[in-house]
Amino acid sequence: AQSVTQPDIHITVSEGASLELRCNYSYGATPYLFWYVQSPGQGLQLLLKYFSGDTLVQGIKGFEAEFKRSQSSFNLRKPSVHWSDAAEYFCAAYSGGGADGLTFGKGTHLIIQP
Amino acid sequence: DSGVTQTPKHLITATGQRVTLRCSPRSGDLSVYWYQQSLDQGLQFLIQYYNGEERAKGNILERFSAQQFPDLHSELNLSSLELGDSALYFCASSTREESYNEQFFGPGTRLTVL
Repeated sequence: AQSVTQPDIHITVSEGASLELRCNYSYGATPYLFWYVQSPGQGLQLLLKYFSGDTLVQGIKGFEAEFKRSQSSFNLRKPSVHWSDAAEYFCAAYSGGGADGLTFGKGTHLIIQP
Repeated sequence: DSGVTQTPKHLITATGQRVTLRCSPRSGDLSVYWYQQSLDQGLQFLIQYYNGEERAKGNILERFSAQQFPDLHSELNLSSLELGDSALYFCASSTREESYNEQFFGPGTRLTVL
C-alpha cells in the first residue's frame, strides 16, 4: 500500500540551529511530494513541492527539501530556525491518476528552544 | 488567511446525530477537498469535488457524504455520528482538478461527539 512515513514525532531544536525533518515514501513510482506546515489553531500551508527535475527544491520561509530516489526520501531542511517555525510539519505524496488525493504522514511536531 | 472559510468553527453534538459542515473555497477555485484530522488516524483525505462533480474518493465512510453546489461552496454531511468521528475536519480548495496543484486549507471545523 502507498504510504508516507515521518519517523520523528517530536523534534526539539535550539533557535538559530539547523533543522532536518525526515520523510520516506513507499510508492510504486515516484509520486508528487509535498511539505505542509500547520501552525497552532490554523489550517495547513504549502511550504514546497517536488514533481520532477532538480532534486533540491526551494520553498517559502527559507525551507528547502531534497529528493533522493535511492532512499525514497524527501527531507525538509532549514539552515537556521526561528521561534516562529514552531509548528506541525506534514510530508505528503500524490501518486497521480486522479482517483485519490494526498496521502499524509503522521506529522512531526517541531519545538524551538530559546 | 488562505481565503477558504469553514463554518462552524466548533460543533458539539451527541452520538447518533447528523451534522453539516460548510466550506467556501477561495474565489475562482473549482476544486474542493475534505480532510479529517484525528489523533489516531492523522490527516486523511476524504473526498474531492471539482466544479460540482465528485473527482476523487479517499477513506470516506458510508455514513458521510458531500456535495458541491453551483456557487462552488461545499458541504460535508456526517450522519449516525459515533464517538470516533470526533476530529478536526478541514476543507481545502485549489484552482484545478489534479490533486498535485497547491491546496489552500481553511481553519477547520472541530467536531466533538459526546
